[in-house]
Amino acid sequence: AQTVTQSQPEMSVQEAETVTLSCTYDTSESNYYLFWYKQPPSRQMILVIRQEAYKQQNATENRFSVNFQKAAKSFSLKISDSQLGDTAMYFCAFKVPGTASKLTFGTGTRLQVTL
Amino acid sequence: GAVVSQHPSRVICKSGTSVKIECRSLDFQATTMFWYRQFPKQSLMLMATSNEGSKATYEQGVEKDKFLINHASLTLSTLTVTSAHPEDSSFYICSASIAGGQETQYFGPGTRLLVL
Repeated sequence: AQTVTQSQPEMSVQEAETVTLSCTYDTSESNYYLFWYKQPPSRQMILVIRQEAYKQQNATENRFSVNFQKAAKSFSLKISDSQLGDTAMYFCAFKVPGTASKLTFGTGTRLQVTL
Repeated sequence: GAVVSQHPSRVICKSGTSVKIECRSLDFQATTMFWYRQFPKQSLMLMATSNEGSKATYEQGVEKDKFLINHASLTLSTLTVTSAHPEDSSFYICSASIAGGQETQYFGPGTRLLVL
């Protein structure tokens, strides 16, 4: 069974600064997908970024980028130029290939962006 | 693209009644949809995987007769909470994957259920 661990329950960052959220996972699979989802106060889950395990290049989406270390089973999210709208709960998630396969979520990190 | 809707967004019901929640993929077909439950300040807990045209697969500890799931078409799955009790009060979220396509799950906006 896969497990996902987010060791930072809460984090705070000032507007325009950079913050990194940690995520580690455990699996015996060689091929899989990793995701970061954002859940703002509206509670709508929004995909932030995804990474295919077979790709060595780290995924980036505008101000969001990941540091994927497959050997260390680490998948951290870096948010650059933080904005007030980035305030949300962030969940790291893992799944094996297949549209019917389920997501395994971490416990989440609550990020507060302050002025 | 990849929009998932849920209806209703909020529902209040009396104890002992049944409540149906709909999950629709608006601009894609989804052979598989997922139902989650989320308690305040906690992560999402998968309840069941809904497969179009076949029986749902429930996670361990989730009562099949309590949470009825129907996935009658490639764009609609429903979750019925039968004989609801106050302990069923929660936030229910569905997600869907694009049939034959990407690995990403797209989430609905959620349904807040309050059982009095």
